Amino acid sequence: DAGITQSPRHKVTETGTPVTLRCHQTENHRYMYWYRQDPGHGLRLIHYSYGVKDTDKGEVSDGYSVSRSKTEDFLLTLESATSSQTSVYFCAISEGTSGRPTGELFFGEGSRLTVL
Amino acid sequence: AQSVAQPEDQVNVAEGNPLTVKCTYSVSGNPYLFWYVQYPNRGLQFLLKYITGDNLVKGSYGFEAEFNKSQTSFHLKKPSALVSDSALYFCAVRDEENRDDKIIFGKGTRLHILP
Repeated sequence: DAGITQSPRHKVTETGTPVTLRCHQTENHRYMYWYRQDPGHGLRLIHYSYGVKDTDKGEVSDGYSVSRSKTEDFLLTLESATSSQTSVYFCAISEGTSGRPTGELFFGEGSRLTVL
Repeated sequence: AQSVAQPEDQVNVAEGNPLTVKCTYSVSGNPYLFWYVQYPNRGLQFLLKYITGDNLVKGSYGFEAEFNKSQTSFHLKKPSALVSDSALYFCAVRDEENRDDKIIFGKGTRLHILP
């Protein structure tokens, strides 16, 4: 199995509080992604990274920010959590080939976030 | 922007019968296409991918998918379904021609294999 871990795995927080989810990989893959999974919406891309300090927005980036200061860590921050951000968050990593992601993603086990 | 549609929320198939899970895509350039599976209470796993070449792609657990450029489809198939194939299946796309690193998923199709 790919070395990818997410923390925390479960979190309950209150509306308006900041939350940071961490994704850590030991595979030295260039590309890292944050998705959220919600019933009826499938997996939606929040942000992704194509290298240290290189990030870009996905489909549903409003209310989220990311940082990648090291190859192995990709942080997702909810600056002020809202109930609509209650979800399961998945981190994924991908190798690169010819300067592009292969697209064969390895996923973490997910972080279940509940915002009350 | 690229997108994926999975028109069926749920597909029911009797064990031993062939199964098809449908996927259509939209990209402005050439697509890289993928199928992933999520078993109950487990993470997401890669099944197969189409990059270029043969339109019929074989993957894990006996699954295959057929790329059809004219219909912009990438349907997942298996000749004989097993009860253990019951899971949530996701189709995904990346736009290679426009060198876009986003990997966009569909809403998923829940596959029920009936014993």
